[in-house]
Amino acid sequence: DTEVTQTPKHLVMGMTNKKSLKCEQHMGHRAMYWYKQKAKKPPELMFVYSYEKLSINESVPSRFSPECPNSSLLNLHLHALQPEDSALYLCASSQDRDLRDEQYFGPGTRLTVT
Amino acid sequence: RKEVEQDPGPFNVPEGATVAFNCTYSNSASQSFFWYRQDCRKEPKLLMSVYSSGNEDGRFTAQLNRASQYISLLIRDSKLSDSATYLCVVLNFGNEKLTFGTGTRLTIIP
Repeated sequence: DTEVTQTPKHLVMGMTNKKSLKCEQHMGHRAMYWYKQKAKKPPELMFVYSYEKLSINESVPSRFSPECPNSSLLNLHLHALQPEDSALYLCASSQDRDLRDEQYFGPGTRLTVT
Repeated sequence: RKEVEQDPGPFNVPEGATVAFNCTYSNSASQSFFWYRQDCRKEPKLLMSVYSSGNEDGRFTAQLNRASQYISLLIRDSKLSDSATYLCVVLNFGNEKLTFGTGTRLTIIP
């Protein structure tokens, strides 16, 4: 089973709202990732958690705040977003941070900021 | 120069034909290589890892040429369901981040 789940599938929020995206995997993977993907572009890495610790932050604005409550869960807290933040937000996981590990993606949350 | 470069296509190929994509990477320290496919408005799905000795999975064959720093994907007997964007992905030693190519759009024509 290589399933990563994400909720919600779609989210529309105003610029003053606070919302959270959720990601879950039960594969025993110890690395989890957040990516942002705009239309017709490849995914762009935002954050990496390894063994529940934040190990990479790709200079993401503070209006995006990741959280890893346990090894199976990854959240992305959103606050005061801008319309240009509208995108597909993808979560991924991999077994650990070994260099050969494949990453498995969830179905994504399609976010629209109005 | 982009770190991972792919021909964006589109490739329009008749059903049953063989199609090949190449991808070049600039960082010689690149260690792991993958092909993902992405359908419209869906997530990337791992198609196959690419090993130094080359590998095959059914109709799909991946090759790696470290000397020339390119990766290839061959699809034989193409099916309508192969229509997708194919992403070449590279993982660099010490960096531990996936670097994606911009993708190659493939459409299989009945």
